[in-house]
Amino acid sequence: DGGITQSPKYLFRKEGQNVTLSCEQNLNHDAMYWYRQDPGQGLRLIYYSQIVNDFQKGDIAEGYSVSREKKESFPLTVTSAQKNPTAFYLCASSLKGGLFFGPGTRLTVT
Amino acid sequence: AQSVSQHNHHVILSEAASLELGCNYSYGGTVNLFWYVQYPGQHLQLLLKYFSGDPLVKGIKGFEAEFIKSKFSFNLRKPSVQWSDTAEYFCAVTPSGSARQLTFGSGTQLTVLP
Repeated sequence: DGGITQSPKYLFRKEGQNVTLSCEQNLNHDAMYWYRQDPGQGLRLIYYSQIVNDFQKGDIAEGYSVSREKKESFPLTVTSAQKNPTAFYLCASSLKGGLFFGPGTRLTVT
Repeated sequence: AQSVSQHNHHVILSEAASLELGCNYSYGGTVNLFWYVQYPGQHLQLLLKYFSGDPLVKGIKGFEAEFIKSKFSFNLRKPSVQWSDTAEYFCAVTPSGSARQLTFGSGTQLTVLP
């Protein structure tokens, strides 16, 4: 089955620790995206990548970092500099128009 | 930069009622418009999209949306809702030709009572 996988589904971390969320797609899409979903705020773009070895900041990139070493993979690192990291994180990919979303990772930082 | 407003945060309807969810965007140029749906416990799914042509767009599960350029609106409609339509609905916009992808509205939670 083609699709986007994100793991784990739930992630718990202590404040001050960096954490990496994985995103893998086998749709052969060039473009990949990370969004953050908070209640009442919709989805906000963190980072996006149009092609391997290239990525751009979205609207709320501060405290996050990404890499795009392979077409299939676009991991997101939530660093200790992110002031409010607890959220639901969605990865997506796109070929033309529209986005295909992964199932999401719910990160809780205490 | 573009922005999207969804004025209804929570809508509650009885089965068979008609639905209209509002979506307004702000952007000076040509846009592509989308509605996404997130059913409880499921992925976000594309409901319908508008790129160009007929401003009345039909999507899956009997949904449709009308692009009214003069009003910067892309309202979602369904003539008769079902209990299974209970979900959160997101409107999204991107400038035509942009690879930066979508700006989302804050979402509207639709609850359909059986």
